[in-house]
Amino acid sequence: DADVTQTPRNRITKTGKRIMLECSQTKGHDRMYWYRQDPGLGLRLIYYSFDVKDINKGEISDGYSVSRQAQAKFSLSLESAIPNQTALYFCATSGGAALVNEQFFGPGTRLTVL
Amino acid sequence: AQSVTQPDIHITVSEGASLELRCNYSYGATPYLFWYVQSPGQGLQLLLKYFSGDTLVQGIKGFEAEFKRSQSSFNLRKPSVHWSDAAEYFCAVGPLEKLTFGTGTRLTIIP
Repeated sequence: DADVTQTPRNRITKTGKRIMLECSQTKGHDRMYWYRQDPGLGLRLIYYSFDVKDINKGEISDGYSVSRQAQAKFSLSLESAIPNQTALYFCATSGGAALVNEQFFGPGTRLTVL
Repeated sequence: AQSVTQPDIHITVSEGASLELRCNYSYGATPYLFWYVQSPGQGLQLLLKYFSGDTLVQGIKGFEAEFKRSQSSFNLRKPSVHWSDAAEYFCAVGPLEKLTFGTGTRLTIIP
């Protein structure tokens, strides 16, 4: 069973629509992240959360919002989708700062905004 | 500000040949360095990481990387590639909570 799951895996929507991407994890990690991947640009951090009450903006947070509903769930919303938000979105998790660790990635959500 | 440069966008090697993927970083302190691999349609999987200690790091799938502080580099190597190594490879630097990724190197393997 996958430790980090993302739903949906693929989504096509229209400009102006509200979209929510969901991420769940069974790793028991406190920290969760949302990235977007664009060809030739690598991964860029949108938001990250250290726990349910601690949410932080990343490099490219404009046009996005997040909700940490529980330790295991971290959702990314596009309030009014625009075509340049077409990308591959990844959720990731990691353990606390005291742990020498890594980020574990979900399988990704491919979002197309028409 | 931290940054990562992967100078090679695309590399093609023959199966069985050796491989080296380049990664240069900029970071204000001792860096945390990572190499991830992304197979087509998949998420990212960690190959190896460097936090401290021995500068030659062994990873999964026969990969290794060497941290060279004087050159600000963390190049990934494999002595003999397999067709299954075809993928995109990302170098990343930074504290774990705020990683900066390179733009990736796509590896193609030819028979």
